[in-house]
Amino acid sequence: DIQMTQSPSSLSASVGDRVTITCRASQGISNYLAWYQQQPGKVPKLLIYAASSLQSGVPSRFSGSGSGTDFTLTISSLQPEDVATYYCQKYNSAPPAFGQGTKVEIK
Amino acid sequence: QVQLVQSGSELKKPGASVKVSCKASGYTLTSYTLNWVRQAPGQGLEWMGWINTNTGNPTYAQDFTGRFVFSLDTSVSTAYLQISSLKAEDTAIYYCARGRGYSYGYSDVWGKGTTVTVSS
Repeated sequence: DIQMTQSPSSLSASVGDRVTITCRASQGISNYLAWYQQQPGKVPKLLIYAASSLQSGVPSRFSGSGSGTDFTLTISSLQPEDVATYYCQKYNSAPPAFGQGTKVEIK
Repeated sequence: QVQLVQSGSELKKPGASVKVSCKASGYTLTSYTLNWVRQAPGQGLEWMGWINTNTGNPTYAQDFTGRFVFSLDTSVSTAYLQISSLKAEDTAIYYCARGRGYSYGYSDVWGKGTTVTVSS
């Protein structure tokens, strides 16, 4: 099975900072990658699909990039409401595995 | 609006069974596939499998074979997850989520989750 590895596992940044989270696949997955946000105590929410397509209603400060094995989720200007755990998920083949998550906090 | 409405929290004893429901609202259940995802306390997201809502054919992830059953009742636009012979380690939040793209795909609409607690 293809493994998804996120880095870092957690980060702390200031409001307004640019934040970057990386997701690496153990084999190439083309652009079959999604990103989700899970705020504390809340339901996961789709942010990005097809590696770089922004889901409707998601703020434009979120963006995704990458193809093959290396992917990035960027928050261009961190806001207090962005405190959450972020997960990547590949869906090119079964099982559609999630990464282990990256916890984002405000410094 | 488009939503998945899940049944309420359950407290069960070890060895018992539980059936979680997931009702599609605002869209036709059979137009999209449905994924099931587990989140153990303090842990990440774990894909359990998916069900083809047109054929009713379920596919289970390797760790979810045997005691886990996905089913449908399209007449009431509802999907179900049944877990038998419950163990303490089944304690988790169980989410249903609408699949996009081919087969399981990614998930764009999530239910609020059903907390299943297994304790004697």
